[in-house]
Formats: sequence, C-alpha cells, structure tokens
Amino acid sequence: NAGVTQTPKFQVLKTGQSMTLQCAQDMNHNSMYWYRQDPGMGLRLIYYSASEGTTDKGEVPNGYNVSRLNKREFSLRLESAAPSQTSVYFCASSERSGGVNIQYFGAGTRLSVL
Amino acid sequence: QKEVEQDPGPLSVPEGAIVSLNCTYSNSAFQYFMWYRQYSRKGPELLMYTYSSGNKEDGRFTAQVDKSSKYISLFIRDSQPSDSATYLCAMSPLYNTDKLIFGTGTRLQVFP
Repeated sequence: NAGVTQTPKFQVLKTGQSMTLQCAQDMNHNSMYWYRQDPGMGLRLIYYSASEGTTDKGEVPNGYNVSRLNKREFSLRLESAAPSQTSVYFCASSERSGGVNIQYFGAGTRLSVL
Repeated sequence: QKEVEQDPGPLSVPEGAIVSLNCTYSNSAFQYFMWYRQYSRKGPELLMYTYSSGNKEDGRFTAQVDKSSKYISLFIRDSQPSDSATYLCAMSPLYNTDKLIFGTGTRLQVFP
C-alpha cells in the first residue's frame, strides 16, 4: 500500500528554470494538498484541491501553479524558480473520518534553487 | 501574530521521562486539534486528534485541549529513543475542516 507518492525526492534547479513536482495517491481520497516546509515557518499550504477538477489557493500560492489531473494525481509547477522557493515540498491527501479531516503525507521533495 | 504558536525546541530528555509538548492558538473557532509526528527526512504522520475540549489517551500518549486558555498539550509517558522526532500541532475550525493550520513543530530528542 503506497499511500502518497511524490517524485522526485531531490532536485536542484538554477534560477529561472521550471519544473513540475508530481504527486499520486492510491487511497481514493477526494482532497489533495501541496505544502512547503521551511525552518521556523512550519507547514504552509500552497494550493489544495477539494475534488477532481477544482483547485484553490492556500497561504503562499505566488510563483506556483497546480493541476489536478485526475482523482489520483495532483502536480505542482514552478514556472520560473527563485532561490526563495528552496524548501521541502509535501503533498498530502485526506479523508473525512467522524467529522475530522485526516491528512496523509508523502515523503517530500527537497528542492534547492541556486 | 501567528494563529498557532509552538516552541521549536529542541527538547532533550532522558529515556523514561515524561514529555510535555504544547501549542497556543488565537482563533477561538478551532474545534479539531491534531498532533502529527515527523521523523527526520520523512513526511508528517497523524499521531492523534481530539475534538473540542478534553483529554484523549492512546497508549503512552495523552492529548489535552483547554479551549478556555486556547492551549493544547501532548504528553508522552515513559519516553523512548524511538520517540525522537519533530511534533507538530495542527488545528482546524468546524466550518472548514479541509484546511489545517500547523504549528512550527517542536524537535524532541530522547537519549538512552
């Protein structure tokens, strides 16, 4: 049971380059999320998707775009990478259990922008 | 001011100690309170959650919520080296459980 799978695990980019972070879940969850995690800042929501075909901005969406390709996959794109986007990126999916929304996370993508 | 405040630590304790991890928050609408554990270079995983006020126990772990003080705690009894990780609190209001607001996390180290 893979859960939430993120690729790649590591990436180094030069300023101005573009890339897409991939995320797939096999738990049949409707909601999916992209977070970034920085020292002293905790997890901050970039974008989320409540269902296939819908996406909404989170706390820090500038410089990113997302695509909910289907129910399983939710990708994050950096069109023109900047050093400020150096971070660890986590994808998550969630299910509702007894009213609470439980989020399950992938292992993360460590991105460095030089 | 952040909606959720959490002491980053690190907190270093000997094996067998009782550990207390805490978060304060400012949004009185928060109703669901969660604790996630994150091992080094891994994604967070849900440890336990509580709804509204009160206590919840799961093995060596106890979560407490004091809504009057806007203060939540996670207690770990008989701490083990395998408990060494970063612990993040997270919370959401009843009207929008899709979004979680996370604390910055407290790094815990339990030494043998």
